[in-house]
Amino acid sequence: DQQVKQNSPSLSVQEGRISILNCDYTNSMFDYFLWYKKYPAEGPTFLISISSIKDKNEDGRFTVFLNKSAKHLSLHIVPSQPGDSAVYFCAAFGSGYSTLTFGKGTMLLVSP
Amino acid sequence: GAVVSQHPSRVICKSGTSVKIECRSLDFQATTMFWYRQFPKQSLMLMATSNEGSKATYEQGVEKDKFLINHASLTLSTLTVTSAHPEDSSFYICSADLTIQGNRAAFFGQGTRLTVV
Repeated sequence: DQQVKQNSPSLSVQEGRISILNCDYTNSMFDYFLWYKKYPAEGPTFLISISSIKDKNEDGRFTVFLNKSAKHLSLHIVPSQPGDSAVYFCAAFGSGYSTLTFGKGTMLLVSP
Repeated sequence: GAVVSQHPSRVICKSGTSVKIECRSLDFQATTMFWYRQFPKQSLMLMATSNEGSKATYEQGVEKDKFLINHASLTLSTLTVTSAHPEDSSFYICSADLTIQGNRAAFFGQGTRLTVV
């Protein structure tokens, strides 16, 4: 049973436009959510996180939105740049100390 | 930001030999580290939780005698793939958690590409 779901395996966006990456979760005990960017043959790089007590967190070009009632979060990248092309993973921590649960990732391709 | 260093980044070994992968937290202490494995076109799969000074906790289906984990200090965890076989070829990644000003995040090593021939 997949508790963190990224239903779009890939997304193509033109440079300068907005990229919206979506993530759904089923476990209501998750209280902290993170987005990672990953290039092939490298470890994931932490991008941005959000606590379940917030509905928005912004850091530069990256904004994460959380809709707890819908158990949905999204990562907005604006403006998108070709260097943003990578696989993006949504991940979540449960309440208390626990391991990180990952989605399967969405490959973002930003074309010039 | 916090740095987790993993070594080696690539290793090729012969079938039947053992390979050790190191994971270090460079600028913070980590009582707990995590080891993941990634198969092609799949998400990261947690293998085990490495606990400093005590035994590792393995996820279901992961052979503890094959994937030996040692967390001897607050900055170093090692994963040893024993008697490696070609099906062990994969991308292995470690991570350590850090909470900064109430914000928790997992920081990852660069990963190790293991090829067993």
